[in-house]
Amino acid sequence: GAVVSQHPSWVICKSGTSVKIECRSLDFQATTMFWYRQFPKQSLMLMATSNEGSKATYEQGVEKDKFLINHASLTLSTLTVTSAHPEDSSFYICSASPTDRLHYEQYFGPGTRLTVT
Amino acid sequence: AQSVTQLGSHVSVSEGALVLLRCNYSSSVPPYLFWYVQYPNQGLQLLLKYTTGATLVKGINGFEAEFKKSETSFHLTKPSAHMSDAAEYFCAVRRGGGSQGNLIFGKGTKLSVKP
Repeated sequence: GAVVSQHPSWVICKSGTSVKIECRSLDFQATTMFWYRQFPKQSLMLMATSNEGSKATYEQGVEKDKFLINHASLTLSTLTVTSAHPEDSSFYICSASPTDRLHYEQYFGPGTRLTVT
Repeated sequence: AQSVTQLGSHVSVSEGALVLLRCNYSSSVPPYLFWYVQYPNQGLQLLLKYTTGATLVKGINGFEAEFKKSETSFHLTKPSAHMSDAAEYFCAVRRGGGSQGNLIFGKGTKLSVKP
């Protein structure tokens, strides 16, 4: 149980285009999902906390107009990287916290490798 | 504020040897501590966690960690390394208190296992 999927697993896009990444909780409902960014050989940095039916909460320094987050249902959150640039190339990982659990109990997706050319 | 320091970005051991990955934390609230493992190009898998109660925590794959408040440490150990243990390991601490506390991750330690 407690499986989180991400789609796509990898994507290459051209500079200036937008890319949408999906995060789904497959066998549980998640009121809260989290989006992380991981640079090569570095740790995970929390980008934003996504709450179903409300606006996401972004961490300091994360551009909310560039990284659009939508949490339309209890099993799906999406991250859209708008007007992507090469510096946005990274590994994006989502996690989901079951509705009946505390926020630090998170299940992680397998990640999405984004390369912007 | 909460923070995590992992000592050693890279640890190399021989197969069958003891694995010791070090983690020290700083927390202004009672710490909830976690160890995660990440294999290449994959997400994170929870190895074990400490919230309250017994300070020696056993996790999956033969790993365990001991919470030592006096040393503000939560080191991860495994008596005998296996080749499949080669991966990146992250220590994390709950940020803040209550149900809204998120996770803060250390920089990670890459474990290599030599045959």
